[in-house]
Amino acid sequence: AQSVTQLDSHVSVSEGTPVLLRCNYSSSYSPSLFWYVQHPNKGLQLLLKYTSAATLVKGINGFEAEFKKSETSFHLTKPSAHMSDAAEYFCVVSIYNQGGKLIFGQGTELSVKP
Amino acid sequence: SQTIHQWPATLVQPVGSPLSLECTVEGTSNPNLYWYRQAAGRGLQLLFYSVGIGQISSEVPQNLSASRPQDRQFILSSKKLLLSDSGFYLCALKPSSGASYNEQFFGPGTRLTVL
Repeated sequence: AQSVTQLDSHVSVSEGTPVLLRCNYSSSYSPSLFWYVQHPNKGLQLLLKYTSAATLVKGINGFEAEFKKSETSFHLTKPSAHMSDAAEYFCVVSIYNQGGKLIFGQGTELSVKP
Repeated sequence: SQTIHQWPATLVQPVGSPLSLECTVEGTSNPNLYWYRQAAGRGLQLLFYSVGIGQISSEVPQNLSASRPQDRQFILSSKKLLLSDSGFYLCALKPSSGASYNEQFFGPGTRLTVL
């Protein structure tokens, strides 16, 4: 069975400091992993995805994530936080061979202080 | 590129009333379509998905139903709303082919409040 765990429900950083949002996954197969961002009362926007190509994945808005099979992790990072990064972030794993169904983590709320 | 429309954007309904939320997509053919619900302060729960016209899979037993009368139309319905049906409903699609075939794209959502 596949699952995903976001280790922090809330992360607070100061503007200009690095961001780290942690995600661990469980999968019997080589997973497809995604990070989505959701601003208040908005739909979800894809930040980046890993699909068994390069283990370091670069996304939009300066975010990147590294797939580490040995640690079963897919942490999201950004070198310098911006106020506009404040949002909810979801780590997601695609269920193998089931029509593209996704399993979502519970989300991490990122706050950015001025 | 694909576009997802959802309406209404917000809805306030009394308990026991019917519900119909509509999702239409553009820029893609024969996509997989999905309905998710997001309760306050929680992650997304997959409610239904569809791989084609008239084909609906339900993920959790509940007070809701879904239909796909056309390739690019996905409808979420209820005959009698419950308080627990309140939430943010998101429609999503997965393209059937192309570079983004393993991604899901999300609509803007409908905020439903049941009173």
